[in-house]
Amino acid sequence: QKEVEQDPGPLSVPEGAIVSLNCTYSNSAFQYFMWYRQYSRKGPELLMYTYSSGNKEDGRFTAQVDKSSKYISLFIRDSQPSDSATYLCAMSEGSGTYKYIFGTGTRLKVLA
Amino acid sequence: NAGVTQTPKFRVLKTGQSMTLLCAQDMNHEYMYWYRQDPGMGLRLIHYSVGEGTTAKGEVPDGYNVSRLKKQNFLLGLESAAPSQTSVYFCAITDRGNQPQHFGDGTRLSIL
Repeated sequence: QKEVEQDPGPLSVPEGAIVSLNCTYSNSAFQYFMWYRQYSRKGPELLMYTYSSGNKEDGRFTAQVDKSSKYISLFIRDSQPSDSATYLCAMSEGSGTYKYIFGTGTRLKVLA
Repeated sequence: NAGVTQTPKFRVLKTGQSMTLLCAQDMNHEYMYWYRQDPGMGLRLIHYSVGEGTTAKGEVPDGYNVSRLKKQNFLLGLESAAPSQTSVYFCAITDRGNQPQHFGDGTRLSIL
């Protein structure tokens, strides 16, 4: 079993839809959670960074962490064609380790 | 991506050839990482460095060597390239172990 599981998609939604992207994990020691967006032929770009459980909002993006369920989510409101990309979740135990574990990514396509 | 520059961007090698990939950063971050990204497998850590003059093995280090002689540069070497090393290679940096990583735009390496 992988430490981090992420549905590869592809996920196709109409413009303006609310998108929900999710990752599950098995390591209860993870404390730091990240979401990256990766456009084709580009490097991952940090979207959201959260510590422990709770919600964090930044514009159209909301990151949610539920440590009791070992489940994290990224919500995109009012999705735009420019949001079409692959979204990667990543996690870290934090202090004392330099290891980050990544999901395999979910491909999202927002249709105009 | 600003701050992390990878060279070359693209390269084709023949089996058995050697080459060096360069990652250069201008953010004065301590930690630098080399990943490879393959379809369906996500980002896998090859080697990393927690400071000038230090290196450590990651998840998939076999066939690769690294050096960090200067703080701003992290080199990844392939001594004898194999077709299994065909991949996209990403360099990432971070200031501390629990901070999110920032990535370069990758080197696409094809080994025939």
